[in-house]
Formats: sequence, structure tokens, C-alpha cells
Amino acid sequence: AAGVIQSPRHLIKEKRETATLKCYPIPRHDTVYWYQQGPGQDPQFLISFYEKMQSDKGSIPDRFSAQQFSDYHSELNMSSLELGDSALYFCASSTSPGGETQYFGPGTRLLVL
Amino acid sequence: GDSVTQMEGPVTLSEEAFLTINCTYTATGYPSLFWYVQYPGEGLQLLLKATKADDKGSNKGFEATYRKETTSFHLEKGSVQVSDSAVYFCALSGTDTGNQFYFGTGTSLTVIP
Repeated sequence: AAGVIQSPRHLIKEKRETATLKCYPIPRHDTVYWYQQGPGQDPQFLISFYEKMQSDKGSIPDRFSAQQFSDYHSELNMSSLELGDSALYFCASSTSPGGETQYFGPGTRLLVL
Repeated sequence: GDSVTQMEGPVTLSEEAFLTINCTYTATGYPSLFWYVQYPGEGLQLLLKATKADDKGSNKGFEATYRKETTSFHLEKGSVQVSDSAVYFCALSGTDTGNQFYFGTGTSLTVIP
């Protein structure tokens, strides 16, 4: 069965650079979520989209932005990167927001030097 | 606000031992409850879920029962295997406060032969 696809899987950037992470949800899933997982920590919710509109916002820094496109894929744009942004970034998708099972991608590991 | 409190690890067990990982939650509404597993270097995989009180989720020998009276969703397995070594996250979603997932801090399980 098709799963959530994230790219790239690994990314190395320097401070103050920008990064773009991509997420391709499971086919027919219209809701996408982004999470940040620091080393040894639980995933923290950043932002979610339903039918291309932002549906919920968590602890996403102002330096980050995200959007969902007409084909339901989503991109997380990160600017002015800081050392503390080094983390595993997960994307998840579901058939609708609110209580439905979220299926997670393998994550993008971002290292900021 | 909504939150999940999870038993702290790490937990080390011998093969074939009984496993319990405690999870309690605080929620304003009637959440769905989930257990996710994360193997080393991989993303989060749904292990099991329960969407209403007294529901029992089960998968791969793991079980958890949604107990509204004790606001708990403890994970159990009767006989663990070395391949069960991973980090286990309890999560809730779908309450009145939004559609994001709230994760516990994760419990690292190591099973030794």
C-alpha cells in the first residue's frame, strides 16, 4: 500500500540558510500535518492543512511557513535556520481532520551546522 | 489543555516477559487514542487505536483498552520479542480543541535475549 512520502530524507544546511521539505500524502488523503521531533523528544505539532487551507496551527516558528497544493502535497519552508532547528520533521496524512488516524512518513532529518 | 502522560523509560525486559507501558490522558472532549511505535532511524508507525470508551485496540500481540473512568490507555503485551525493541508513543486526537495529535514523551523499550 502507498504510504506518505517525504523528501529529502536527509538535509544539511548552515545557519541562516533556507530549506524546503516536501510531503506527498497517501492517495485520497486530503489532510496533511507537520511535526518536529527533537533528539529524544516527542513529536511536536507544527501546522496542518485540510483541502489546501490551513486548518490548525501549533508551535510553528514565524520563520517557517507551509502550504498545501492542488495535488494535496505540502511543502514546509524554513528560513533563517538556527542550530535549534536540527530535528526530524515528520509529515502525516489522514482522510479528514479531527480524530482520524494519522499515517506518518519516514521523516526528513535536518541538520543545521 | 489536552495532554498525554506516559510512563518514563527506558524499559529493559527479557524475551518473553510481560510488558505494560502506562498512558493516561487529559482531554476536554472525547478523544481517539493511539499507540505509535518508532523503530531506530524510522518514522512513526501506527500500532493500534481506540476511538471510544471501552474499545480495545490490538495488533501484533499488543493490546490497549480505552478506559474513560481512569482516563487511561495502557499498552500491554504478554510475551515480548527482541524485535519489539523500539520507542512507543501514546497519543490522542480529535477533541473539541482541534485536530492535532498530542503525543506522550515516548517510552524506550529494549528486549534482551
